[in-house]
Amino acid sequence: KNEVEQSPQNLTAQEGEFITINCSYSVGISALHWLQQHPGGGIVSLFMLSSGKKKHGRLIATINIQEKHSSLHITASHPRDSAVYICAVRDYGQNFVFGPGTRLSVLP
Amino acid sequence: DSGVTQTPKHLITATGQRVTLRCSPRSGDLSVYWYQQSLDQGLQFLIQYYNGEERAKGNILERFSAQQFPDLHSELNLSSLELGDSALYFCASSYGVGNQPQHFGDGTRLSIL
Repeated sequence: KNEVEQSPQNLTAQEGEFITINCSYSVGISALHWLQQHPGGGIVSLFMLSSGKKKHGRLIATINIQEKHSSLHITASHPRDSAVYICAVRDYGQNFVFGPGTRLSVLP
Repeated sequence: DSGVTQTPKHLITATGQRVTLRCSPRSGDLSVYWYQQSLDQGLQFLIQYYNGEERAKGNILERFSAQQFPDLHSELNLSSLELGDSALYFCASSYGVGNQPQHFGDGTRLSIL
């Protein structure tokens, strides 16, 4: 069992839809990161969470430490949101462990 | 533009060779992180430096080494290269040593022939 799992693996949505990507982890963590990797390969850090909820524009990230679960929500999705979304956790040994990513395609 | 500069963008070399990848962090950032992204293993954390000192170590092979210089730029040295080392190598930086948002460079694509 991988230490960090994401669902779904692939997601296709219509423009304007509300999107949720889930991340579950099995180790104790000090923080969780959500990353966005564009088709060209570049990586952007979207959120870093250790508790609660954060919002930036149309993106919302939540984390439940007790349940070892985080969600990334995209409201009013747009084709430019098409990318791979990666969940990463930092464990107490200061190591980063990455999920396999969720490939999102938003169709116009 | 993240402000993190990685050079070179592409590198093609042969098995057994040694290469050096360079990273200049965003202005003001003191931490540098190195990551490897391969098709079969996804993203993996290699190592973190903070203000010249090693602060965290991940899945970095013994054939690989890194350092951070007084001007805060960092180099990742890969030696005795194998076909399996072909990957995208990303550098990221952050201001502090603990949990902070990271700014990623565009990566160096290494191809081993």
